[in-house]
Amino acid sequence: AQTVTQSQPEMSVQEAETVTLSCTYDTSESDYYLFWYKQPPSRQMILVIRQEAYKQQNATENRFSVNFQKAAKSFSLKISDSQLGDAAMYFCAYTSGTYKYIFGTGTRLKVLA
Amino acid sequence: KAGVTQTPRYLIKTRGQQVTLSCSPISGHRSVSWYQQTPGQGLQFLFEYFSETQRNKGNFPGRFSGRQFSNSRSEMNVSTLELGDSALYLCASSLAVGQGRSPLHFGNGTRLTVT
Repeated sequence: AQTVTQSQPEMSVQEAETVTLSCTYDTSESDYYLFWYKQPPSRQMILVIRQEAYKQQNATENRFSVNFQKAAKSFSLKISDSQLGDAAMYFCAYTSGTYKYIFGTGTRLKVLA
Repeated sequence: KAGVTQTPRYLIKTRGQQVTLSCSPISGHRSVSWYQQTPGQGLQFLFEYFSETQRNKGNFPGRFSGRQFSNSRSEMNVSTLELGDSALYLCASSLAVGQGRSPLHFGNGTRLTVT
């Protein structure tokens, strides 16, 4: 069965600094998708970034980028120039097209002014 | 374009009662998924509907059911409520053109408290 593991329950970063959130997953599929979602106190899950497993190039969205290591089954999220608005729960998620997503347990990110 | 709308935002029910939650997807999205979020278990998949048909179901008891209407709006029903059903229920919609190619778009959730 597929699993997603986020080993950091909580992380802190100084404003304007860079932070990396870790995610590992387990699957026997070769074609799948990985995501990072952000959940602020408003509760709405917001898509941050998406990675397609068959693409070698790491996805980037403005200040957010991923380090996708397919062989190691690792998918970390790097947030550069951290802002106060980045404070939230971050969830790593996996899907292989079976209509359901598998989410990690989340990492709470605190941004210190 | 309006986002995913979930109603109500908050619900308080007592054990044994039943509850119905509603979700209106983004216009044009035909797939609706439901997730239960709790501090201990994280996000757990409940079920997914596409064109009024349930395509996949998670490992929840039969007290949890859902349906989708012809306009893609979806409802989730929980009967005989238990204290452990207290959670944030999230609805997500997508185009469903191959699940991963069309990411999930979430609503604000319904916070259900069972007393």
